[in-house]
Amino acid sequence: DAKTTQPPSMDCAEGRAANLPCNHSTISGNEYVYWYRQIHSQGPQYIIHGLKNNETNEMASLIITEDRKSSTLILPHATLRDTAVYYCIVRGRGKLIFGQGTELSVKP
Amino acid sequence: DTAVSQTPKYLVTQMGNDKSIKCEQNLGHDTMYWYKQDSKKFLKIMFSYNNKELIINETVPNRFSPKSPDKAHLNLHINSLELGDSAVYFCASRRAGTSGGVSDTQYFGPGTRLTVL
Repeated sequence: DAKTTQPPSMDCAEGRAANLPCNHSTISGNEYVYWYRQIHSQGPQYIIHGLKNNETNEMASLIITEDRKSSTLILPHATLRDTAVYYCIVRGRGKLIFGQGTELSVKP
Repeated sequence: DTAVSQTPKYLVTQMGNDKSIKCEQNLGHDTMYWYKQDSKKFLKIMFSYNNKELIINETVPNRFSPKSPDKAHLNLHINSLELGDSAVYFCASRRAGTSGGVSDTQYFGPGTRLTVL
C-alpha cells in the first residue's frame, strides 16, 4: 500500500481557499487517491477521489500532478465548519489506511 | 434517514465485562467494516465483511468477534474488556465492486465511544 505524507496542521482564513497538500511518491498506476475528513467527534466523511485527472465536486477540487506523486485538495471558500482533520489516502487492497492527516483550522 | 447507524453512542463498562456494539446500514451495500480510533486519533481497520463473509481480519485479539447476521448488519462483540479497549469504534460500509472509483467510497457511522473502567 502506498504511503502518504501530509503536514500535521494548517490554518486558513474564513472565506479564503484552503490548499491541503499530500505526497504519495510510491503510488502505483491503478491506485486512486481518496480524501476524507473527520470533524471533531464524528465519523470520517468522504470528500473526493481521483486517479489521474483533476476532479471537482460540490465540496472540493482535487489536483493530481502529472507524475501522480502528489496531490492537493482545494476547499475554494473555507468556512468555520470546514475545521477538521483531512486524510489523504491511497487505496490499497480493499481497505483504507488512514495516516495522521492534516488538522485544518479555519479562523474568522 | 441515517445511512450508517451505530448503537450505543456511548458505552461505559467495567474491566472484564462482555459488551456488544451494533451497526446497521440502509444503503444496500455489500461490504461493512469496523475501525478503531484510539486516544492518539489513529484510525485503524479491524474487520471487513462482504455479504456476511469475513474478508479482512487485521491483527485483533480474539476477544473481538464480529458477527454479520445479514449484509445490512455488522455487530462487534467484545469479551473480557480491558482498559486498552477504550476507544471510539466506527462502522463503515461500501458497495462492493471493481477496484477504485466510486465503488470504493466508504460511508462511516457516527461512532461508539467505549470507556472501560
